Amino acid sequence: AQTVTQSQPEMSVQEAETVTLSCTYDTSESDYYLFWYKQPPSRQMILVIRQEAYKQQNATENRFSVNFQKAAKSFSLKISDSQLGDAAMYFCAYRRARRRDDKIIFGKGTRLHILP
Amino acid sequence: DAGVIQSPRHEVTEMGQEVTLRCKPISGHDYLFWYRQTMMRGLELLIYFNNNVPIDDSGMPEDRFSAKMPNASFSTLKIQPSEPRDSAVYFCASSAWDIQYFGAGTRLSVL
Repeated sequence: AQTVTQSQPEMSVQEAETVTLSCTYDTSESDYYLFWYKQPPSRQMILVIRQEAYKQQNATENRFSVNFQKAAKSFSLKISDSQLGDAAMYFCAYRRARRRDDKIIFGKGTRLHILP
Repeated sequence: DAGVIQSPRHEVTEMGQEVTLRCKPISGHDYLFWYRQTMMRGLELLIYFNNNVPIDDSGMPEDRFSAKMPNASFSTLKIQPSEPRDSAVYFCASSAWDIQYFGAGTRLSVL
């Protein structure tokens, strides 16, 4: 069975600094998607970034980028120039590709605090 | 598009009462998911539908939980009778392929 592990329940970073959130996963599949979702205090789950496993290039969205290490089954999220609005719970998630059952498996989350 | 719409945002009820949560998916999305989020268990998938048909309900905790999708634009999650341990945030999400879009959730408190 696929699993997603986020080993850091909480992290803090100074505003304008860079922070990296860790995520590892376990799967026997070769083709899959990985995601980072953000859940601010408003409770809304917001997609931050997506990575397709067959692509070697790391995904980037503005200040957010990932370090995807397929062999190590690692998928970390880097947030550059941290802003107060980045404070939220961050969930790493996995989904098998090329299947229409579309189930996503979520990690337990990392709560990120931004220090002014 | 307005996104996935859930109602109500908050629901407070007494143990034993019936609770109905509602969801309107994004138009054109053929998958709909119901999740439950608690501090102890994180995000759990309860059930999902494809083209209005339930595909996997193995995450539904008990027979007290039921979900329906009578048409492509509406789904309900019902708990009858409700219990205090059902208190959680319930999310609905919809997708057309690989990205799931979430509603704002319903916070359920069962007293």
